[in-house]
Amino acid sequence: SQTIHQWPATLVQPVGSPLSLECTVEGTSNPNLYWYRQAAGRGLQLLFYSVGIGQISSEVPQNLSASRPQDRQFILSSKKLLLSDSGFYLCAWSADRGSGNTIYFGEGSWLTVV
Amino acid sequence: GDSVTQMEGPVTLSEEAFLTINCTYTATGYPSLFWYVQYPGEGLQLLLKATKADDKGSNKGFEATYRKETTSFHLEKGSVQVSDSAVYFCALSPRAGTALIFGKGTTLSVSS
Repeated sequence: SQTIHQWPATLVQPVGSPLSLECTVEGTSNPNLYWYRQAAGRGLQLLFYSVGIGQISSEVPQNLSASRPQDRQFILSSKKLLLSDSGFYLCAWSADRGSGNTIYFGEGSWLTVV
Repeated sequence: GDSVTQMEGPVTLSEEAFLTINCTYTATGYPSLFWYVQYPGEGLQLLLKATKADDKGSNKGFEATYRKETTSFHLEKGSVQVSDSAVYFCALSPRAGTALIFGKGTTLSVSS
């Protein structure tokens, strides 16, 4: 069966510091991968999605970036964090076709920028 | 563009009460529709889905019917439990290979 893991689960970072959140999927190949952010009272915001290695689409201009160095690995990064980057970050995957495009989420990462 | 609108929360109910959380959508074509649930401190879990008009998705006593004529996908449960307390998200997939578009979420609080 397929599983998705992301880490770290929680982190507290000072303003201006770098960020790296990592996500891996197991049990499937060529998945679509996503990074969402959930901020208080604002629902889920799609940040990035990827349909293949090195293929990243950005939905929202900001100081975050994403990379997909391997088929089942998706990394969210920032060179300098802002206070407004605080939130709950969710990695997710879906099959590249079929399944009614159901998306499956990881456990989430709580980021607090201080 | 495509969008999802769901009722504002929080929704507060007593155990065994009937639940309805409204969700309407705007989309071109024939999207797939989903309900996800987020328990405190956790990621999102798929609750149910429907991929075409008049389909009914159901799981754990929850159900929702894809109504194309009213562009709605309301979530219902006949008798809620304290363990159903969570945030519920309605979402749509415009077409295969695209990311889901989510509503803002509705917080449900059930008391005994």
